Amino acid sequence: GAVVSQHPSRVICKSGTSVKIECRSLDFQATTMFWYRQFPKQSLMLMATSNEGSKATYEQGVEKDKFLINHASLTLSTLTVTSAHPEDSSFYICSASSPRTTYEQYFGPGTRLTVT
Amino acid sequence: AQTVTQSQPEMSVQEAETVTLSCTYDTSESNYYLFWYKQPPSRQMILVIRQEAYKQQNATENRFSVNFQKAAKSFSLKISDSQLGDTAMYFCAFMNSGGSNYKLTFGKGTLLTVNP
Repeated sequence: GAVVSQHPSRVICKSGTSVKIECRSLDFQATTMFWYRQFPKQSLMLMATSNEGSKATYEQGVEKDKFLINHASLTLSTLTVTSAHPEDSSFYICSASSPRTTYEQYFGPGTRLTVT
Repeated sequence: AQTVTQSQPEMSVQEAETVTLSCTYDTSESNYYLFWYKQPPSRQMILVIRQEAYKQQNATENRFSVNFQKAAKSFSLKISDSQLGDTAMYFCAFMNSGGSNYKLTFGKGTLLTVNP
């Protein structure tokens, strides 16, 4: 089956610093990757959609300068939270889809970000 | 814009019994996919079942089946012979298959607890 990994699984950073989260498709080429944010006991909120080699498309209300997304290869997308603040603390999940099964998204295990 | 509504924030069921989770959606599209995802305490998103809107036959995956009523825009999930491992958050999701980026829209989720 299609496997998506995320690194790190947990990260703690100080307010004002930046943190990068990696999302990798391990056994398939992901032309499209998605980044979600999930607050405790809430649903997944789509932050942005990224296609390999092009700029990410951000959902309304998501600050593109704060949440930098790079999809540099067919197997790697990164989310960088810049100048993090405590309110950015959340669970971040990525997913990926392949050209062959565009209707199916394969999810990573998520990254818990805590900003102190 | 599409909306997905899950009207049951929490449900519980006894082990080995059957439970049905409700989901309704609103869309003007004719071609789309519907999904049920499971998110256990590990928070890994797991695809439970998928339904293509053009198919009249309800999807079935082992103990999981759906009741897809296209005219009513209803997509309920039935879990038969409930097991303790079914305890999780369940999200209903919609994807427009006519679009170019295949975004998922999630409902708010139903927390299912299976009691021994």
